[in-house]
Amino acid sequence: QKEVEQDPGPLSVPEGAIVSLNCTYSNSAFQYFMWYRQYSRKGPELLMYTYSSGNKEDGRFTAQVDKSSKYISLFIRDSQPSDSATYLCAMRKKAAGNKLTFGGGTRVLVKP
Amino acid sequence: GAGVSQSPSNKVTEKGKDVELRCDPISGHTALYWYRQSLGQGLEFLIYFQGNSAPDKSGLPSDRFSAERTGGSVSTLTIQRTQQEDSAVYLCASSLESIEPPNEQYFGPGTRLTVT
Repeated sequence: QKEVEQDPGPLSVPEGAIVSLNCTYSNSAFQYFMWYRQYSRKGPELLMYTYSSGNKEDGRFTAQVDKSSKYISLFIRDSQPSDSATYLCAMRKKAAGNKLTFGGGTRVLVKP
Repeated sequence: GAGVSQSPSNKVTEKGKDVELRCDPISGHTALYWYRQSLGQGLEFLIYFQGNSAPDKSGLPSDRFSAERTGGSVSTLTIQRTQQEDSAVYLCASSLESIEPPNEQYFGPGTRLTVT
C-alpha cells in the first residue's frame, strides 16, 4: 500500500463549478502538506502549503487538513478552463530533509 | 529571474546504453532534488543534495543510478545500462536551505527519457 493515496480521475466539471480533490495518507509522521499543479509536459508548481489541521484559503483555493483522519483536501471555487491540469498532493515528515512524498495525482478537466 | 532548467528535454536511448541528465538550479539555492515520474504516476523521490552535506541517496532504485553536484550548483543524474523500466520523466527541483518549516521546491520542466 502506498503511503499517500490519490484518486487518478479524470475529474470533469463544467466551468464555474467547485472542484474537490483529496488525498489520504497512512503515516502520522507527515507534518507538512502541499498541493501542486502540473500542466502537461511542465514541472509541478506549488499552489498551497499547510502545516496544521484546519483550513487555509488563498483566492479561489482552499486547502483543508484533518490529521486525525489522515485526510487532506483542496477545493477550487469558480473553476476556469485554465484550471485544467493534474493536481498532486505532497507531504513531508518533520526533519526529513525536505524529501517530499507525492500522491499519484488527479487529472482535472474544466469544460467551458 | 531564471527558473530551474534541465537538459535535454527529451532523450531516446537504446537499452543498455548510459545516459546523463543535467539540472541547473536557481542561483543561490543550496538544496537540489531529483524525482522520477512514470506515466500516470506521482513523483518518486530519488536523491537530495543540501550544501556540502552528504547526499540523501535513499530513493535511488538501483546501483545503476548515481548523481553528482559540482561546485554546489549544476547536477548530473547518470543512469548506466538503461532498462525499459527506466523510461519516465526525470524532474529536478531546487530550494533554499532545507529548514523547518520547509522552503518551497521549484521544479524544472523535466527530461523525458525513453528507453527502446
